[in-house]
Amino acid sequence: DTEVTQTPKHLVMGMTNKKSLKCEQHMGHRAMYWYKQKAKKPPELMFVYSYEKLSINESVPSRFSPECPNSSLLNLHLHALQPEDSALYLCASSRRDRSTNEKLFFGSGTQLSVL
Amino acid sequence: DQQVKQNSPSLSVQEGRISILNCDYTNSMFDYFLWYKKYPAEGPTFLISISSIKDKNEDGRFTVFLNKSAKHLSLHIVPSQPGDSAVYFCAASYNTDKLIFGTGTRLQVFP
Repeated sequence: DTEVTQTPKHLVMGMTNKKSLKCEQHMGHRAMYWYKQKAKKPPELMFVYSYEKLSINESVPSRFSPECPNSSLLNLHLHALQPEDSALYLCASSRRDRSTNEKLFFGSGTQLSVL
Repeated sequence: DQQVKQNSPSLSVQEGRISILNCDYTNSMFDYFLWYKKYPAEGPTFLISISSIKDKNEDGRFTVFLNKSAKHLSLHIVPSQPGDSAVYFCAASYNTDKLIFGTGTRLQVFP
C-alpha cells in the first residue's frame, strides 16, 4: 500500500461550522504533514508531526487544530473558518529516516470551500 | 520571500521533443531537491530527486541537473508525451521536516 488517503474529497462549510479533515497512511511512515494550497500557488506547509508529536507549526491560526491519534492517522479540526481559508488541503507522509533524504507522499487532498 | 522560484509559469512543447523546466533557489543551505507533478484537484506526485552532492540524476525519461554555484536546477523530459501535461513543482529542503515548493510551471505537450 503506497497511498495516502484523505477524506472527504470535497467539503463546504459555513463560518460557524466545526468539521474535520482526515488522513490515513499504512506505509509505516513516521512523519505526517498538512499543506495548504491556494489556486495557482505552491503548497504551503502548515504542520508536521514526527513520531506522533507536533514538531512544526508554521504560525497557523488556532482555528486550525491538528491531531495525530496514532502513527497512521492525521486529522485537521476546523472551527470558525473564514472564506479566505478556502483551499486544497493536502496531507503527506514520509518515512522519517534520518539516514536518507526524505520524499513526501501526498494524498489527493480535500477541496474546502468556506461560505 | 520566495526561496524557490520557477520563473516560467507555463511551457508548451511538441510531443516527442524535449521539455526543460527550470528552478532557481536562494538558500544555500538547501541540500535536497525534488520535482513533483500535479494534476488539478490532486496531490503532487513525486517524480525525481537529487542530493546536493550530485549534479545529475536520471530516471527513465526524466533527468534532473543541479548547478550549485548558480543555485539552479532543471528537469529534462525526453521525449515529451501528452500525458506529461501537468503543473510541475520543484521543491527543496535542508532538513527532513520542511519542504519548500517553487511557484510551479504548467507544461502543455501538444501533438
